[in-house]
Amino acid sequence: EVQLVQSGAEVKKPGESLKISCKGSGYSFTSYWIGWVRQMPGKGLEWMGIIYPGDSDTRYSPSFQGQVTISADKSISTAYLQWSSLKASDTAMYYCARPGVAGRNEYFQHWGQGTLVTVSS
Amino acid sequence: QPVLTQSSSASASLGSSVKLTCTLSSGHSSYIIAWHQQQPGKAPRYLMKLEGSGSYNKGSGVPDRFSGSSSGADRYLTISNLQSEDEADYYCETWDSNTRVFGGGTKLTVL
Repeated sequence: EVQLVQSGAEVKKPGESLKISCKGSGYSFTSYWIGWVRQMPGKGLEWMGIIYPGDSDTRYSPSFQGQVTISADKSISTAYLQWSSLKASDTAMYYCARPGVAGRNEYFQHWGQGTLVTVSS
Repeated sequence: QPVLTQSSSASASLGSSVKLTCTLSSGHSSYIIAWHQQQPGKAPRYLMKLEGSGSYNKGSGVPDRFSGSSSGADRYLTISNLQSEDEADYYCETWDSNTRVFGGGTKLTVL
C-alpha cells in the first residue's frame, strides 16, 4: 500500500527556518515524482513544486521559486520542503502528493495527511 | 499555461444528483484533468482522471455514484444518490511538463 507520511505540526516565529518532511513507503521511492501543495486557511490548493528523487530533477511554480527549497533523501525515502526565513503569510497546511505512474509527472493519485505550519510572533 | 475555472459553490438534496463543472482555458481544451475531493478537515483524496473524450478512470474505493464526462473544454463530475459524506470541496487539477494547476474548488452542500 502506498503511504505518504508527513511530519507533525510546527509553530514557528517569523524569520525562523523550517524543514518539513514526507516519507514514502510501499513503492519504489526513486521512481515516482513527489510534489508539494499549499492550502492557506479557508483557501484552495496551490501547487508549489515537484521533485524526482531518482535524479533530483526539481520544478517550481513561479509563485514559489526562490521562496522554498524542495529536496529528497533517497536513502530514507523522504522528501522535504524547507524555508530559510518564515513569514506570517507562510501559515498554511502543506501536503505532499505523488502521481500514480512511475516516471510520469502527472496528476496526483496519492496524498499525505498534511503538515500544519503556523508562523506567529 | 492552462487555467481551470470552477464555480465556488453548489448544493443539492440528499439522494439527488449533482454535476460539477471544471472549464479549461482557451487553447487547452484537450487537456486531461483529475478530480479530487476534500472533506472538511481532511487531506484531499483522488477521485478520477478524466480525458477530453469523456473516458475516466476512478481511484481505488471511489463509489460507483461518482462518474465523469466531458464536452469541449468542460470537464464534469457527476455524483448521483448524494450522501451526507459527499459534502466536501471538489478540486480539478491539470498539468503539463513544467507546471501544474488546480481549479479554485467547488464547495458542495448536501441539503
